[in-house]
Amino acid sequence: GENVEQHPSTLSVQEGDSAVIKCTYSDSASNYFPWYKQELGKRPQLIIDIRSNVGEKKDQRIAVTLNKTAKHFSLHITETQPEDSAVYFCAASDAGNMLTFGGGTRLMVKP
Amino acid sequence: EAGVTQFPSHSVIEKGQTVTLRCDPISGHDNLYWYRRVMGKEIKFLLHFVKESKQDESGMPNNRFLAERTGGTYSTLKVQPAELEDSGVYFCASSQGGQSNQPQHFGDGTRLSIL
Repeated sequence: GENVEQHPSTLSVQEGDSAVIKCTYSDSASNYFPWYKQELGKRPQLIIDIRSNVGEKKDQRIAVTLNKTAKHFSLHITETQPEDSAVYFCAASDAGNMLTFGGGTRLMVKP
Repeated sequence: EAGVTQFPSHSVIEKGQTVTLRCDPISGHDNLYWYRRVMGKEIKFLLHFVKESKQDESGMPNNRFLAERTGGTYSTLKVQPAELEDSGVYFCASSQGGQSNQPQHFGDGTRLSIL
């Protein structure tokens, strides 16, 4: 089955700096890669997703890149703000819809 | 539009007791999923309904767990009898039908504590 590794497990950045979170996956059949943000005590919120037919997608300060050959994808947050502090999860899925999640990254943005 | 709703938000029971979790998906969403996060580990898939049918239940840990979605609307997940290792946060998610891998929207989760 699919295995998703996520790094780093914790990330501390200064407000205004960029943050990068990386994930690798094992199943070459995976074709959908969402990212979720979970604030303390709240539900995981989908913030961006990418499908295997594109290499990059941007939404304001957030971007995701995908390298199918190397089987890795990354989340980039620019101009970080304190409200970006949360746990971020990457996930991968093939056509079966089941999401396999990475272990999560706790991002702390220091004012 | 109401989001995915889960009830209860928190449940504390003793080992050996029974607990039933409920999930109301977003109206019109054919796909309903159950996931859980145990002891700060990654979120793991339990099962997937398409309308009232179980599409994939490969993540269900054992036969103490029973999920239903009668009528294809809300779903219940029953744990009977509960064991200590069942403690964790149980999430429900839903997505539209049609194409595969429609975005999944999560509920707030039910925090289950087994004493």
